[in-house]
Amino acid sequence: QITLKESGPTLVKPTQTLTLTCTFSGFSLSTSGVGVGWIRQPPGKALEWLALIYWDDDKRYSPSLKSRLTITKDTSKNQVVLTMTNMDPVDTATYYCALQRGRFGEAFDYWGQGTLVTVSS
Amino acid sequence: QSALTQPRSVSGSPGQSVTISCTGTSSDVGGYNYVSWYQQHPGKAPKLMIYDVSKRPSGVPDRFSGSKSGNTASLTISGLQAEDEADYYCCSYAGSYVFGGGTKLTVL
Repeated sequence: QITLKESGPTLVKPTQTLTLTCTFSGFSLSTSGVGVGWIRQPPGKALEWLALIYWDDDKRYSPSLKSRLTITKDTSKNQVVLTMTNMDPVDTATYYCALQRGRFGEAFDYWGQGTLVTVSS
Repeated sequence: QSALTQPRSVSGSPGQSVTISCTGTSSDVGGYNYVSWYQQHPGKAPKLMIYDVSKRPSGVPDRFSGSKSGNTASLTISGLQAEDEADYYCCSYAGSYVFGGGTKLTVL
């Protein structure tokens, strides 16, 4: 059974750095073709893709947020970590991590439940 | 990279069919056969419904179908059911990934 779960602070102050952890089970991030991505959704708004890390440590970032994002993996712990610097109230959103497997092309076939992060002083 | 364009809302009666469009450019929708569609019920995580333009993961009813023409992809839901009422998002690979603005489907 595949599961993903996001964890991290629920409240951060403007200018702070956000660190989110995705802990997963049921698959290995050392398997060829596997990737874990982060997607966010501001309240009442659309989904926005942020970053993706592949089994071979290849990393992809949203062009508009690239300078603020870092994605890493710890295969032994089954975790993927996303850091976002210089947080602003517009970054208030539910942050999801999601699984991408080669058999489903470039789609995300399993998602975590999401974690709401509020940016406020 | 701009979001893909979707209608804000569509509606249909039970048993009818509805189609949701997703318009991009030759750099995303038109350039790759990697369009996916997600269903999201209120307060829930998105669920993959269609990948690679027209393929269905196991467990997704065959009432859901996808297609693409040029820079526009479409999701068609036939035989509408009450439980299909949700938000739907398209997503295209474009070197990175770009989502649509979302469409709220109302089953009348």
